[in-house]
Amino acid sequence: EDQVTQSPEALRLQEGESSSLNCSYTVSGLRGLFWYRQDPGKGPEFLFTLYSAGEEKEKERLKATLTKKESFLHITAPKPEDSATYLCAVRSLMDSNYQLIWGAGTKLIIKP
Amino acid sequence: GAGVSQSPRYKVAKRGQDVALRCDPISGHVSLFWYQQALGQGPEFLTYFQNEAQLDKSGLPSDRFFAERPEGSVSTLKIQRTQQEDSAVYLCASSPTGTGSPYEQYFGPGTRLTVT
Repeated sequence: EDQVTQSPEALRLQEGESSSLNCSYTVSGLRGLFWYRQDPGKGPEFLFTLYSAGEEKEKERLKATLTKKESFLHITAPKPEDSATYLCAVRSLMDSNYQLIWGAGTKLIIKP
Repeated sequence: GAGVSQSPRYKVAKRGQDVALRCDPISGHVSLFWYQQALGQGPEFLTYFQNEAQLDKSGLPSDRFFAERPEGSVSTLKIQRTQQEDSAVYLCASSPTGTGSPYEQYFGPGTRLTVT
């Protein structure tokens, strides 16, 4: 069964303290892996798409990497405004062409 | 440009009432998705439209849930005879393409439905 697991469930960091969020996935062939950010009371906001192992994408203080079994979202010198829930989703080659399988998210809190 | 909008943002319904949730996708986007999101969870797929065609409704929890997109733009998710377990945030997302890449989905703010 296709599955996405994110860890940790919650992460508290001091401002400037770098860390990584993990997204482990089990799918019957990966068509794409997606990272989203969700603020309270808002819909998810698209961040990155990764398609193949070894691929990396960067945006400001965020960098996403991908292996054959997991993806990491690295956050460098975070600021309080980076506080949000970060969601990971995958699109499987074997599932319907359009369905995404979502993780439960990691709630990131950056303390000033 | 304008993003995906949803209305109402909040809806309180008494058990047994019917509700209708509206989604205005980004203009020109081919694909439209409805999701249900419980607190502390990721979105759960409900249904998918490509233009006006509903290609997948396998995620709809019961026959009380119905969605339409008659002209390939605005979509409505209707829930009949609401139950307490229907309480959740309902998210709408649109994507510029059909099933091909790129495949990013752009989400609206959601409608928080509370059934009392």
